[in-house]
Amino acid sequence: DAGVIQSPRHEVTEMGQEVTLRCKPISGHDYLFWYRQTMMRGLELLIYFNNNVPIDDSGMPEDRFSAKMPNASFSTLKIQPSEPRDSAVYFCASSLGLLAGISGTDTQYFGPGTRLTVL
Amino acid sequence: QKEVEQDPGPLSVPEGAIVSLNCTYSNSAFQYFMWYRQYSRKGPELLMYTYSSGNKEDGRFTAQVDKSSKYISLFIRDSQPSDSATYLCAMSVTFSGNTPLVFGKGTRLSVIA
Repeated sequence: DAGVIQSPRHEVTEMGQEVTLRCKPISGHDYLFWYRQTMMRGLELLIYFNNNVPIDDSGMPEDRFSAKMPNASFSTLKIQPSEPRDSAVYFCASSLGLLAGISGTDTQYFGPGTRLTVL
Repeated sequence: QKEVEQDPGPLSVPEGAIVSLNCTYSNSAFQYFMWYRQYSRKGPELLMYTYSSGNKEDGRFTAQVDKSSKYISLFIRDSQPSDSATYLCAMSVTFSGNTPLVFGKGTRLSVIA
């Protein structure tokens, strides 16, 4: 399996521009998580989905951020308009979910991240 | 106060040393405690997990949880240069891939040959 795939790996944009980050979870995984990592705040959950439905978006910082999961194999995180304080590494993670959790061996598998710089 | 506190380091040790990494937390509902390892420019990978209080050993790695003190530790014996990475503690109320994790900020470790 190729693991969680994220694109682009690096994104440099100017303040005010729209940014779209993409994620392809591991095939068969029911849960998808978007996290953001900064030096100041560490790794923080933004939003997560179960079977393509958003479950908790309380971590989304403000209305400029939106996330969608149109199907089981694709999710996007969009920032419009972008600001310099959005500069961070954005990670997508996926997992099998409840059934695997019963065996106690489930875990979240992280992608390589997208390093976003907003100038 | 952040739910999970972790000293960011950096921590630099010679090869072969015993390394101790620690986290404290405030939410007594946490039951599962995990350590993730993150190499530079990579995503975090699960290293170990423990349930409730106690110890768990896996090769050179030992995870300890003291729920009464709300304190968890990861020990690395005979540290190797390949152990150089950022180590993040993470916690959740349940252990399952469907539960959002609360992470510490991570401790950057360098093992010098």
